[in-house]
Amino acid sequence: DGGITQSPKYLFRKEGQNVTLSCEQNLNHDAMYWYRQDPGQGLRLIYYSQIVNDFQKGDIAEGYSVSREKKESFPLTVTSAQKNPTAFYLCASSTSSVPSTGELFFGEGSRLTVL
Amino acid sequence: AQKVTQAQTEISVVEKEDVTLDCVYETRDTTYYLFWYKQPPSGELVFLIRRNSFDEQNEISGRYSWNFQKSTSSFNFTITASQVVDSAVYFCALSEALGSGYSTLTFGKGTMLLVSP
Repeated sequence: DGGITQSPKYLFRKEGQNVTLSCEQNLNHDAMYWYRQDPGQGLRLIYYSQIVNDFQKGDIAEGYSVSREKKESFPLTVTSAQKNPTAFYLCASSTSSVPSTGELFFGEGSRLTVL
Repeated sequence: AQKVTQAQTEISVVEKEDVTLDCVYETRDTTYYLFWYKQPPSGELVFLIRRNSFDEQNEISGRYSWNFQKSTSSFNFTITASQVVDSAVYFCALSEALGSGYSTLTFGKGTMLLVSP
């Protein structure tokens, strides 16, 4: 089945450690996105990538890094510089269209807890 | 900058009541899309509807209906005869064109709906 796979689903880490969240898609979508969700805050855009080897910062990129070496993969690293990393992280992908419809396909999310 | 406002943080109803979730948006784009997503306790986002800015017809899908009014920049969502399974967080979202055929979504903060038996 086509879709987006995020792993791990739950992750616990000690403060000060870097953490990498995996996101893989087999939808052949060019664009991929990372969103962060905090209780009562909705979803906020961290990074997005429209093409391999290229990515742009979203609204809350500080303390995060990404790479896009393959079309299928868009891992997110939560670095020790991120002051409040405990959150629910959602990965999404989309294809291009004219006009762009904004339809994103979401993974099931990864819940990161920093102890 | 784009903005989506869901003024209702939490709504509690009893089963079989009708409930309306409000969504107000701001954008300078002339072409845009509006969305509603449902997020059950398991966390995944479930797509409910997409509406483009040129189509102001109301839409009904089973117990769900949507009222899009461009004049008031609102895209409200009504659940008729609510059920316990409707309990979830509901997000309204607005597309923002990136160019080259892609968009991101700007989300509201969500409305938590609690339906009790």
